[in-house]
Amino acid sequence: EAGVAQSPRYKIIEKRQSVAFWCNPISGHATLYWYQQILGQGPKLLIQFQNNGVVDDSQLPKDRFSAERLKGVDSTLKIQPAKLEDSAVYLCASSLQGENTGELFFGEGSRLTVL
Amino acid sequence: AQSVTQPDIHITVSEGASLELRCNYSYGATPYLFWYVQSPGQGLQLLLKYFSGDTLVQGIKGFEAEFKRSQSSFNLRKPSVHWSDAAEYFCAVGNTGNQFYFGTGTSLTVIP
Repeated sequence: EAGVAQSPRYKIIEKRQSVAFWCNPISGHATLYWYQQILGQGPKLLIQFQNNGVVDDSQLPKDRFSAERLKGVDSTLKIQPAKLEDSAVYLCASSLQGENTGELFFGEGSRLTVL
Repeated sequence: AQSVTQPDIHITVSEGASLELRCNYSYGATPYLFWYVQSPGQGLQLLLKYFSGDTLVQGIKGFEAEFKRSQSSFNLRKPSVHWSDAAEYFCAVGNTGNQFYFGTGTSLTVIP
């Protein structure tokens, strides 16, 4: 079974530039999450999708961050314009729909450095 | 609001020694509790989880954790640590909406 795929693994940009990250969850997983993990901190939920609908985006900085999951499968997270404090690892995770199975399956993450 | 506290930022243990990583949570209902491990450059992997029932849960790689409602704790233990256990450990609390909240993590160093 293929795991959660993310790309790119690494990205370096200058502040005020834009960047996009892509995630393909495990086949059949209806719920998809984007987390931001700043160095030395735990993952912070940015947005949660159920199929192609947003369940929770309360911590997504909507003035600069956007995310979509148009066909209920893969997802894109965009940052525009980037700030220095956006330097972090962006983790995508997926889980089965319905009863809480308790297991998030994580990708390896996309490491963003903003200069 | 749900939250997780991991009081120990960094722990160092000798190989073969026992290990306990602390986790305290805040949640109004019965929590779903998890421990994840993250090796350098890798995503997070589930070690174990608690939903209900027996308060002592067994996980992979010889880890176990005990849920103590009275102390709002879910500490992770291992009787004998191996060098390959060196990693970052995250405690998390979840709810019925499949929402997960993570602690700040404990970094484990294992010395020979």
